[in-house]
Amino acid sequence: NAGVMQNPRHLVRRRGQEARLRCSPMKGHSHVYWYRQLPEEGLKFMVYLQKENIIDESGMPKERFSAEFPKEGPSILRIQQVVRGDSAAYFCASSPSGQGAGEQYFGPGTRLTVT
Amino acid sequence: AQTVTQSQPEMSVQEAETVTLSCTYDTSESNYYLFWYKQPPSRQMILVIRQEAYKQQNATENRFSVNFQKAAKSFSLKISDSQLGDTAMYFCAFGLPGRVGGSQGNLIFGKGTKLSVKP
Repeated sequence: NAGVMQNPRHLVRRRGQEARLRCSPMKGHSHVYWYRQLPEEGLKFMVYLQKENIIDESGMPKERFSAEFPKEGPSILRIQQVVRGDSAAYFCASSPSGQGAGEQYFGPGTRLTVT
Repeated sequence: AQTVTQSQPEMSVQEAETVTLSCTYDTSESNYYLFWYKQPPSRQMILVIRQEAYKQQNATENRFSVNFQKAAKSFSLKISDSQLGDTAMYFCAFGLPGRVGGSQGNLIFGKGTKLSVKP
């Protein structure tokens, strides 16, 4: 059973461009969480999605950031008009059910660098 | 709101010795989970150990064990017989069980402790 997959692993964008980060959950998992890790910091929750629904986006910046988890395909975290402060590692975690924190499996992360 | 505090930014230990990493948290909930994650230079987040708050017995996984003090809201990680491969950032995390239709479930992380195991 493949683990959580994220791609790309490394992404370089110039200021003002768009960044799209993809997360494929483990097989059978329908819940996805996105976290951001700034340099020298712990992970910070951004958004929690189930298939076709955003359940909790309380950690997401109000502008430029959006997330989706369509019925088919991976979850996408989209950052429009990137700025240097968006440089960070972005992790997704998947869960098989709505059991919340009890069972989350992390992907390897995408490191975004904004030049 | 829940918070997680790791008061030791860096620690070092000699190979084969024992080291304890500290973590305290704050919550008004009675049922929750606590975790220790390891993040090596590859940046992969690896679950080391998990504790459910309603269980009084401290969790153990091979060389890793925790000292869970619910009243004191303390959750320390003990690594015995330290190995060079244990060198990594260690993050303490708190989480709530999911609720039907609810939004809980995300993890709250401390800032981490950088552990160096010296030969």
